[in-house]
Amino acid sequence: SQQGEEDPQALSIQEGENATMNCSYKTSINNLQWYRQNSGRGLVHLILIRSNEREKHSGRLRVTLDTSKKSSSLLITASRAADTASYFCATDPNTGGFKTIFGAGTRLFVKA
Amino acid sequence: SQTIHQWPATLVQPVGSPLSLECTVEGTSNPNLYWYRQAAGRGLQLLFYSVGIGQISSEVPQNLSASRPQDRQFILSSKKLLLSDSGFYLCAWRSGSSGELFFGEGSRLTVL
Repeated sequence: SQQGEEDPQALSIQEGENATMNCSYKTSINNLQWYRQNSGRGLVHLILIRSNEREKHSGRLRVTLDTSKKSSSLLITASRAADTASYFCATDPNTGGFKTIFGAGTRLFVKA
Repeated sequence: SQTIHQWPATLVQPVGSPLSLECTVEGTSNPNLYWYRQAAGRGLQLLFYSVGIGQISSEVPQNLSASRPQDRQFILSSKKLLLSDSGFYLCAWRSGSSGELFFGEGSRLTVL
């Protein structure tokens, strides 16, 4: 079953604009992760935020986590055409480990 | 450094034929291994995970099976493929019970 649900399903922006993607989940978690997937390729890990953290930065990426609302957001600042990809949130439920559950993803298109 | 290999990259098979997808990891020992399936334009569905040789956990009842004959080898199989088995199959590994997953490049299966 899907643990995370991303919003929006698709996003189209101009180069230089910021892109914000949201993720909601259902159960208590150990951590939440964001991944990127270029078309037809495997997923690449972007950033992990633990359940006791509220915000994390990595380069042009900013992730927030609100465990009370069971939601997270990924902000990509100053987007580039090369950021065009699908972005997925994934959670490690707090139920004993090993499973990582992915959402349906947000397809981001950055126009040059 | 660690690497993960999946093959074949592309496969077209008739309904009722068998399937074998292979995944191997190098540069690490005792990894946790995962098989996910991704339908076109959708998120990832966890199929199987393994925490050790011969230890397989199945997440969904289906036409597929998995085996782990060696520490760093994970095989996805079917005796008779169905049309609904078509999809993009992704193998992943990680150390420990939670955290970053490292993905292979995927195997695209089309069942006709």
